[in-house]
Amino acid sequence: QSLLTQPPSSSAAPGQRVTISCSGSTSNIGSNDVYWYQQFPGTAPKVIIYKSDQRPSGVPDRFSGSKSGTSASLAISGVRSEDEADYYCAAWDEGLIGPVFGGGTKLTVL
Amino acid sequence: QVQLRESGPGLVKPSQTLSLTCTVSGDSISSRGFYWSWIRQRPGRGPEWIGCIYYSGSTYYNPSLKSRVAIALDPSKMKFSLNVTSVTVADTAVYYCARGDTMRPHYDYWGQGVLVTVSS
Repeated sequence: QSLLTQPPSSSAAPGQRVTISCSGSTSNIGSNDVYWYQQFPGTAPKVIIYKSDQRPSGVPDRFSGSKSGTSASLAISGVRSEDEADYYCAAWDEGLIGPVFGGGTKLTVL
Repeated sequence: QVQLRESGPGLVKPSQTLSLTCTVSGDSISSRGFYWSWIRQRPGRGPEWIGCIYYSGSTYYNPSLKSRVAIALDPSKMKFSLNVTSVTVADTAVYYCARGDTMRPHYDYWGQGVLVTVSS
């Protein structure tokens, strides 16, 4: 049971906008930045959002992150077939005194 | 270009010790300010932070694994290692090494991962 809760799956048609949620608590998202990772089968996760809303260079601007209270969201506007992957949120947890990850959301592009 | 590569046995027997090594290239493992981490991902689950070691040698562990885990740095060989003692089938996972510039979960470079199966 992860400290960060994500919906197990989400789907969208190409070109649509999709939002993936990540729910936490005051000990993690409520007091720390959120990070989002994209993972394709058989590969390591790759950071696509850091410090809640910052994009590393090379990540398309259709990916955006936001945080409010103890929840965070990853939005993908104009979804493409190549965005089909697993997405994980992560944050520092003050109780664990370490990073925690969500259980992941599998995005299917219809 | 920084590269990390995990190596070690893919099969470990229950109650034995899991030992993995991460070899770093393209950067000095003694570079000031970097944390070298181990992260695992059990089948069908999200990543789980195991622990990390700072360039100075200070270590930090997940409390749920702390009693069984040790991470060490070998700067001369550009490697850092992971030992997990008394393994059970629950330790079966893909194990990754990764680099972060803080203890926050911001990992910019990862190894390709190695599947470790615990089975008799």
